[in-house]
Amino acid sequence: DQQVKQNSPSLSVQEGRISILNCDYTNSMFDYFLWYKKYPAEGPTFLISISSIKDKNEDGRFTVFLNKSAKHLSLHIVPSQPGDSAVYFCAASSSGGGADGLTFGKGTHLIIQP
Amino acid sequence: DAGVIQSPRHEVTEMGQEVTLRCKPISGHDYLFWYRQTMMRGLELLIYFNNNVPIDDSGMPEDRFSAKMPNASFSTLKIQPSEPRDSAVYFCASSPRGEKNIQYFGAGTRLSVL
Repeated sequence: DQQVKQNSPSLSVQEGRISILNCDYTNSMFDYFLWYKKYPAEGPTFLISISSIKDKNEDGRFTVFLNKSAKHLSLHIVPSQPGDSAVYFCAASSSGGGADGLTFGKGTHLIIQP
Repeated sequence: DAGVIQSPRHEVTEMGQEVTLRCKPISGHDYLFWYRQTMMRGLELLIYFNNNVPIDDSGMPEDRFSAKMPNASFSTLKIQPSEPRDSAVYFCASSPRGEKNIQYFGAGTRLSVL
């Protein structure tokens, strides 16, 4: 029973266009969400996060949107650059109850084409 | 700071052998996490420590797995005896007090049990 789902294993986007990565969750106790980026042979690195009290958080080219009623979040990257090619993990946590630590999705491999 | 340091980067061993993975967290971080990444299950939390004390080990798969944190700058994850199904990439991560969810990952140890 995957509590955090990333249904697209891969996504190909042209350089300069918008990349939209999606994530769904099932546990209503989750109240904090994060996106991590991972290059081959490296560990995941934190990218951006959002608390459940917000519906949007922006940091430069990266924006995360949260739709609590749909239990859905998305990461927008605009404009996409070649260095954005990586695996992106969605993660979630709850501040009260349940297991601590982060629950990760299986990742989406983003490929930026020149 | 050099970031989270894991050793070894690669480990190849035979079934039945003891395996010890090592982690040095970022200096000053209060939390330390061990994760395992497999194709089937993605990134899973195994155990985490707060101020060297194990808080949640519900993700540890079975008694063959054990983790220790004898001091603030060192942790080990031991598998004894190892089995082929333990083959995975094991990540260590740390985070500072007040920012438990913003975790900084090491590069991981790729374990192959033959």
